[in-house]
Amino acid sequence: GQQVMQIPQYQHVQEGEDFTTYCNSSTTLSNIQWYKQRPGGHPVFLIQLVKSGEVKKQKRLTFQFGEAKKNSSLHITATQTTDVGTYFCAGKTGGTSYGKLTFGQGTILTVHP
Amino acid sequence: DAGVTQSPTHLIKTRGQQVTLRCSPISGHKSVSWYQQVLGQGPQFIFQYYEKEERGRGNFPDRFSARQFPNYSSELNVNALLLGDSALYLCASSFNMDSNYGYTFGSGTRLTVV
Repeated sequence: GQQVMQIPQYQHVQEGEDFTTYCNSSTTLSNIQWYKQRPGGHPVFLIQLVKSGEVKKQKRLTFQFGEAKKNSSLHITATQTTDVGTYFCAGKTGGTSYGKLTFGQGTILTVHP
Repeated sequence: DAGVTQSPTHLIKTRGQQVTLRCSPISGHKSVSWYQQVLGQGPQFIFQYYEKEERGRGNFPDRFSARQFPNYSSELNVNALLLGDSALYLCASSFNMDSNYGYTFGSGTRLTVV
């Protein structure tokens, strides 16, 4: 079945440093979504990417979707302590599984002040 | 405006018992999906319901079942509980099956099987 791998599993940074997490799917995706889960919380939707090579920005966050629509990345510039949490990518393959999101295992981000 | 509400928030059950978890989607949302999140892992898709019909099922045994009611709320049932069923069960709602605006998750039900 479809698998979504995410690296790194953990990332510890000093406040102000940049952070990047990478996501790879075993199959071509129709789109990919990114979620953030704070410790003890639930996933919160950040963004959806649909087009091959798409790049979207939200303030300090930059999201990219690969040309082959099998990989994606999230880059945070100048991290802040409020960025702490687990970042998940979640891929959709479309077809009959409209609503099925296949999540990566997440990258846990720790930011040291 | 209420978000996705799930009940109960925490639950402790014994092996072999049965459990029912409940979810109320955001008002106007017609799709409800259920996910299981084991500690340290990403959520895993269990079911999606849209307009009261099952629209997708993940790789979970038949012990897991769900339904959606006319008011679009949903229940997830798990029979013959195993220790490995201990997890955070998340409900996600969206207006339609294939949301371009992401899914809104509830705070989840933390199930512990002892």
